Amino acid sequence: NAGVMQNPRHLVRRRGQEARLRCSPMKGHSHVYWYRQLPEEGLKFMVYLQKENIIDESGMPKERFSAEFPKEGPSILRIQQVVRGDSAAYFCASSRNTGTASSDEQYFGPGTRLTVT
Amino acid sequence: AQKVTQAQTEISVVEKEDVTLDCVYETRDTTYYLFWYKQPPSGELVFLIRRNSFDEQNEISGRYSWNFQKSTSSFNFTITASQVVDSAVYFCALRGGNTPLVFGKGTRLSVIA
Repeated sequence: NAGVMQNPRHLVRRRGQEARLRCSPMKGHSHVYWYRQLPEEGLKFMVYLQKENIIDESGMPKERFSAEFPKEGPSILRIQQVVRGDSAAYFCASSRNTGTASSDEQYFGPGTRLTVT
Repeated sequence: AQKVTQAQTEISVVEKEDVTLDCVYETRDTTYYLFWYKQPPSGELVFLIRRNSFDEQNEISGRYSWNFQKSTSSFNFTITASQVVDSAVYFCALRGGNTPLVFGKGTRLSVIA
């Protein structure tokens, strides 16, 4: 029973390029969350998605960042025109169910470490 | 707004010592969940425990124990007889209602042989 998969594990981009981070949730999970961890910081929520829907994007920067979770395939976090400040670890988590059931555990992937040079 | 404070940025202990990591939280929700995660040097996040706001019983799992006190809004984590493999960053997190996880900034624990 595979856990949450993220790829790539490490990604290096030059300033101005695009970064695409992928997350495959655990089997049976239809909710995906993206978090960002800046160096020496805790994780900060970015966006919460269900299949084909963005539920909460209150933590997403207004520009250059977008996320999707299509009917088929992994969730994608896309960062356009990356800058040095985007260098961070990006974690994806998935859960089976949520809504008012705040007990539903989020299982985290291993993260993607983005370095912008 | 929800907030998690881990006042200890870094702690160093000698192997076999006991160590307590503090976590204080703020929330207006009456139902909420508290979590601890471990992040070893390899970088992944390892789930340690989840506790709901209605269950104030302390929990013990091997060398790990958790002390949840609603009166002081604290959810402290104690490692007994620490080992070098316990060296990691430990995060306390909170989730209430229909909200995402809110993490503290973490405490870096170094256990020295």
